[in-house]
Amino acid sequence: SQQGEEDPQALSIQEGENATMNCSYKTSINNLQWYRQNSGRGLVHLILIRSNEREKHSGRLRVTLDTSKKSSSLLITASRAADTASYFCATSRMDSSYKLIFGSGTRLLVRP
Amino acid sequence: EAGVAQSPRYKIIEKRQSVAFWCNPISGHATLYWYQQILGQGPKLLIQFQNNGVVDDSQLPKDRFSAERLKGVDSTLKIQPAKLEDSAVYLCASSLGDRDNEKLFFGSGTQLSVL
Repeated sequence: SQQGEEDPQALSIQEGENATMNCSYKTSINNLQWYRQNSGRGLVHLILIRSNEREKHSGRLRVTLDTSKKSSSLLITASRAADTASYFCATSRMDSSYKLIFGSGTRLLVRP
Repeated sequence: EAGVAQSPRYKIIEKRQSVAFWCNPISGHATLYWYQQILGQGPKLLIQFQNNGVVDDSQLPKDRFSAERLKGVDSTLKIQPAKLEDSAVYLCASSLGDRDNEKLFFGSGTQLSVL
């Protein structure tokens, strides 16, 4: 079963605009991660935020985590056409298995 | 640093045939994962190995899917017999497998079409 659900399912924006994607999950987590997948390729890790962190930055990426609402958001600032991809959140359970469960993804299209 | 290697890249088979996928994780990575990704969906975990032991195979259809990790390094995933609904991309991933290094490194996947 899938733990996380992303919203929106698809997003189309103009180059230079900001893109915000949301992720909701069901059970307590150890950490939450965001991955990017270009068409026909494997997933690439973007950022990891632990359950005791509220916000994290990496370049043009900003991730927030609200454990009380069981939700996270990924903000991509000043988007570029190369950011066009599917973005997935993944949650790691609070046990020793390091099992990572992925959501259904947001498909982002950045128009040049 | 070499990435996760998977082969073949594409495979087309008829239903009821068998197929095998191979994965070579990043050197030193203790944990290896096989995910199934159906078109338009997120990856679904099939099986997770820690070294050569199975940590989780709760979503592996064991009547037709099997997987092994040889000497805690390479892994193969087999489907026998294949069904139409097995058409998907099969992704292999690996990680160091400790609490401070939980990010996964993915291979490019094997795209399976069952006709």
